[in-house]
Amino acid sequence: DIQMTQSPSTLSASIGDRVTITCRASQSISNWLAWYQQKPGKAPKLLIYKASSLESGVPSRFIGSGSGTEFTLTISSLQPDDFATYYCHQYNSFSPTFGPGTKVDIK
Amino acid sequence: EVQLVESGGGLVQPGGSLRLSCAASGFSFSTYAMNWVRQAPGKGLDWISYISSSGSTTYYGDSVKGRFTVSRDNTKRSVYLEMNSLRAEDTAVYYCVRDWNFVFDHWGQGTLVAVSS
Repeated sequence: DIQMTQSPSTLSASIGDRVTITCRASQSISNWLAWYQQKPGKAPKLLIYKASSLESGVPSRFIGSGSGTEFTLTISSLQPDDFATYYCHQYNSFSPTFGPGTKVDIK
Repeated sequence: EVQLVESGGGLVQPGGSLRLSCAASGFSFSTYAMNWVRQAPGKGLDWISYISSSGSTTYYGDSVKGRFTVSRDNTKRSVYLEMNSLRAEDTAVYYCVRDWNFVFDHWGQGTLVAVSS
């Protein structure tokens, strides 16, 4: 299976900050990567697919980039609604895997 | 509006069985593959199964292979997860997830399965 790692595991930030989360794959996954946001007690929500494509209805402050084995999710200006846990997900194979998550909390 | 509603979760003893259901609405169900993804308490996301739109193709994660079976009934707009030989480590919230070209674009609210004696 393709292993996914994320860094940092926790990130403390303030409203208006630019925030970057990194996701790495154990082998090349081309651009078959998605990002999800999850709030406590809720289901995950799709933000980004194909590494950089913004899901409909998702604010443009969420920016995905990368290819191969290294990917980033950037929130250009952190808003109160963005405090949550973020997961990357590779779908390059028929055994999809997720990163362990990055929790973004209030500084 | 896409809606996925899971049911069937609950408390079960180790070695027991449970059947989860997911009722879909708001989209052309028979044209989408579906997945089950679970999340143990306080942990991350774990994909466990995939079923194609017709039901002819299924895949499973290693942790559930041979114990869990996914199926669907397109006439009832539903997908099911039959879980056997349950273990404590299967305790989790189980999400029914729509598959859009292998991206998980819509998720249900989840149903909790607790395996304990």
